[in-house]
Amino acid sequence: SQQGEEDPQALSIQEGENATMNCSYKTSINNLQWYRQNSGRGLVHLILIRSNEREKHSGRLRVTLDTSKKSSSLLITASRAADTASYFCAAYGQNFVFGPGTRLSVLP
Amino acid sequence: DTAVSQTPKYLVTQMGNDKSIKCEQNLGHDTMYWYKQDSKKFLKIMFSYNNKELIINETVPNRFSPKSPDKAHLNLHINSLELGDSAVYFCASSQDQYAEAFFGQGTRLTVV
Repeated sequence: SQQGEEDPQALSIQEGENATMNCSYKTSINNLQWYRQNSGRGLVHLILIRSNEREKHSGRLRVTLDTSKKSSSLLITASRAADTASYFCAAYGQNFVFGPGTRLSVLP
Repeated sequence: DTAVSQTPKYLVTQMGNDKSIKCEQNLGHDTMYWYKQDSKKFLKIMFSYNNKELIINETVPNRFSPKSPDKAHLNLHINSLELGDSAVYFCASSQDQYAEAFFGQGTRLTVV
C-alpha cells in the first residue's frame, strides 16, 4: 500500500508564521492529496497534486511533489488560529492509506 | 444539504452485540468508502465500493461487512462487537477512486 506518512507529528507556531509539513510514501502514485481534520470532525479535502505536477497553489497553500524522492510538502503561509487542525496526506495509487497526520497548533 | 451523512454520530454498545452504521451521499459519486480512525488518529481504509462492486477490501475481520443497497448508500454492519472495535468510523465518497474524497462527520463507536 502507498502509505502516507507525515512529518512532523506535531507543530506549534505563532500566528502569521509559515507552517511546513512533509509527507513520504512508498510506491508509484496517480496523485497525492492533502486533507485537514478539525477536532471531532470529518476530513476536508484541501488540494490534489497529480504525479506529473511538481507544485500547486491554492490560496495560502502551496504543495510540492517530488516523485523521485516519493515525498510531498504542504506549506501554509501567514498562518491563522483557524488553521489549527490535523493535516493528512494520502497517496493515491491502486489503493491508499492515510498517515497519522501532523497536528498543527497556531497560537494567537 | 449535507453531502455525505452518516448515522448515528455516537454509538455505545456492549461487547458481542451487532450494530450497523448508515451512510448516504447525495453527490452522485460512483465510489464510496469506509475508514476507521483509531485513538492515535491513524486513518485506515476498510472498504471501497464502486458502482456497487467491492474494489478494495483491506484485511479487516469478516465481522465487518459493507452493504450497498444502491449507489448512494454504503452501510457498515458489524457482528459480535469487540473492545478493539472502539474507534471513529468515517464514510466518504468520491467521483472515482482517484478523485478527492468527501467525508462524513464520523461515527464514534464505543464498545463496553
